[in-house]
Amino acid sequence: EDQVTQSPEALRLQEGESSSLNCSYTVSGLRGLFWYRQDPGKGPEFLFTLYSAGEEKEKERLKATLTKKESFLHITAPKPEDSATYLCAVQATTDSWGKLQFGAGTQVVVTP
Amino acid sequence: EAGVVQSPRYKIIEKKQPVAFWCNPISGHNTLYWYLQNLGQGPELLIRYENEEAVDDSQLPKDRFSAERLKGVDSTLKIQPAELGDSAVYLCASSVSGDTEAFFGQGTRLTVV
Repeated sequence: EDQVTQSPEALRLQEGESSSLNCSYTVSGLRGLFWYRQDPGKGPEFLFTLYSAGEEKEKERLKATLTKKESFLHITAPKPEDSATYLCAVQATTDSWGKLQFGAGTQVVVTP
Repeated sequence: EAGVVQSPRYKIIEKKQPVAFWCNPISGHNTLYWYLQNLGQGPELLIRYENEEAVDDSQLPKDRFSAERLKGVDSTLKIQPAELGDSAVYLCASSVSGDTEAFFGQGTRLTVV
């Protein structure tokens, strides 16, 4: 059965304290892996799409990487405005186009 | 560019009552999704449309849930009758096509009492 597992469930960081979030997945074939950011009371906001192992994408203080079994979201020198829940989702080749399987998310709190 | 617009933002209804949610996707986006998100969980797909055709509704509880996307633009998701367990956030998303990134609306928070 396809699964997406994110860890840790929650992360508390001091401003400037870099860290990484993990998304491990078990799918028979990967079409794409997506990272979203979700603020309280809002819908998920698209960050990155990764398609193949070794691929990396960057946006401001965020960098996403992909291996054959997992993806990491690195947060470098975070600021309080980076506080949010970060969601990982996979699109499997065995699923219909457009179907995303989401993990439960990692809640990140960055304190000044 | 306007994003995905959903209404209402919040809805409180008594169990066994009907409820409907409305979604206006980003202009030009052919693919429209309805997701359900429970507290502390990631979204789960309910139904996906390609233009006006529902191409994946395998997760939609068809005994009480229905959806439509007339003219391939706006969409409505209906629950009749609502149950206590239906309390959740209902998210609408759209994308240019099924294999591109999806953009989400703000969601409708449903509380069934």
